[in-house]
Amino acid sequence: GAVVSQHPSWVICKSGTSVKIECRSLDFQATTMFWYRQFPKQSLMLMATSNEGSKATYEQGVEKDKFLINHASLTLSTLTVTSAHPEDSSFYICSAIANYGYTFGSGTRLTVV
Amino acid sequence: QQQVKQSPQSLIVQKGGISIINCAYENTAFDYFPWYQQFPGKGPALLIAIRPDVSEKKEGRFTISFNKSAKQFSLHIMDSQPGDSATYFCAASSSSNTGKLIFGQGTTLQVKP
Repeated sequence: GAVVSQHPSWVICKSGTSVKIECRSLDFQATTMFWYRQFPKQSLMLMATSNEGSKATYEQGVEKDKFLINHASLTLSTLTVTSAHPEDSSFYICSAIANYGYTFGSGTRLTVV
Repeated sequence: QQQVKQSPQSLIVQKGGISIINCAYENTAFDYFPWYQQFPGKGPALLIAIRPDVSEKKEGRFTISFNKSAKQFSLHIMDSQPGDSATYFCAASSSSNTGKLIFGQGTTLQVKP
């Protein structure tokens, strides 16, 4: 139980375009979801906290206009990287709080060329 | 005060040996301390977690030791196996602070056959 499905698992996009990443809770309702970014050989850095039906809360230094988060339902949160640039290339991971703790998606490898 | 400091950065252990990873925190409001295992290109998977009302928790070959007064906790992997080779992250969260999970820097474990 408590599965979070993240899609796509990898994406390549051209510089200047936007990319949407989806995170779905399959067998539970996720009032709160978290979005992380992980650069190679580094830790997970929290980008924002997503709450169903309200605006996301961004961590200091994260551009909210560049990383648009929408949490329109109890089972779906999306992260849109707008006007992507090569420096946005990273591993993006979502997470949700389930009954026993936090559960993570399998991650999305974004490469901007 | 939100930081979780993890050491060592990397660790090499012989098969059958004990792997020990340490973490320290400052925020006394933290009340949930999980450990995650991550393989390349995958999201982190929960190994074991502890709350501050106990000093030790064991699940199979994995043990968390928790020292509340020192604000430190550690992961012990007994009888380490080559399949345990991965990156390990400690983390901490506070139920009074939106529940966001703060990660340590990570430890790359290599278990030699």
